[in-house]
Amino acid sequence: KAGVTQTPRYLIKTRGQQVTLSCSPISGHRSVSWYQQTPGQGLQFLFEYFSETQRNKGNFPGRFSGRQFSNSRSEMNVSTLELGDSALYLCASSTDADTQYFGPGTRLTVL
Amino acid sequence: QKEVEQNSGPLSVPEGAIASLNCTYSDRGSQSFFWYRQYSGKSPELIMSIYSNGDKEDGRFTAQLNKASQYVSLLIRDSQPSDSATYLCAVITFTGGGNKLTFGTGTQLKVEL
Repeated sequence: KAGVTQTPRYLIKTRGQQVTLSCSPISGHRSVSWYQQTPGQGLQFLFEYFSETQRNKGNFPGRFSGRQFSNSRSEMNVSTLELGDSALYLCASSTDADTQYFGPGTRLTVL
Repeated sequence: QKEVEQNSGPLSVPEGAIASLNCTYSDRGSQSFFWYRQYSGKSPELIMSIYSNGDKEDGRFTAQLNKASQYVSLLIRDSQPSDSATYLCAVITFTGGGNKLTFGTGTQLKVEL
């Protein structure tokens, strides 16, 4: 089985712009979770989608949003980027948010 | 109190020694526990999962769970330089909306020649 894929792998944006990241889960997995990882804060949970519905949400501002499509692929969007949004964004898939398998991540740099 | 706590390290062990990594969690209702390994600049990779009290062995790795003490650990036997990485403990709690996986901040392990 192919693993979790994320695109793009690297992204450079400027403050105020918006960005959309994409995640394709392992075939058959219906749950997709998103995390932000920074050196100071570790892995922070953003949100989890299951069958196109957001089931859980972390403590992030409304600038961070996501969605899931009927084929389980997921996107997350960050609007009005801030310098502090520079991070590694990780997507993880699972059958039902149990054992989660991570994609390679998208490295976002905000200038 | 953080939901999942780990010592940040670094934990330094000589090659061939046993490395012991520890994790405590706050939610008594947690049922599923995971250890991930993360190399610098890479994404986390699942090493082991454990659900019941006691030990679970997989090759050089042994996970130990004590729900009464809310404690989970990972032992790495015959440590190798390639084991040098950050080890993340993760715990699943069941929320009203579904499962939520919470990570500790990770313990950096250095295996020295």
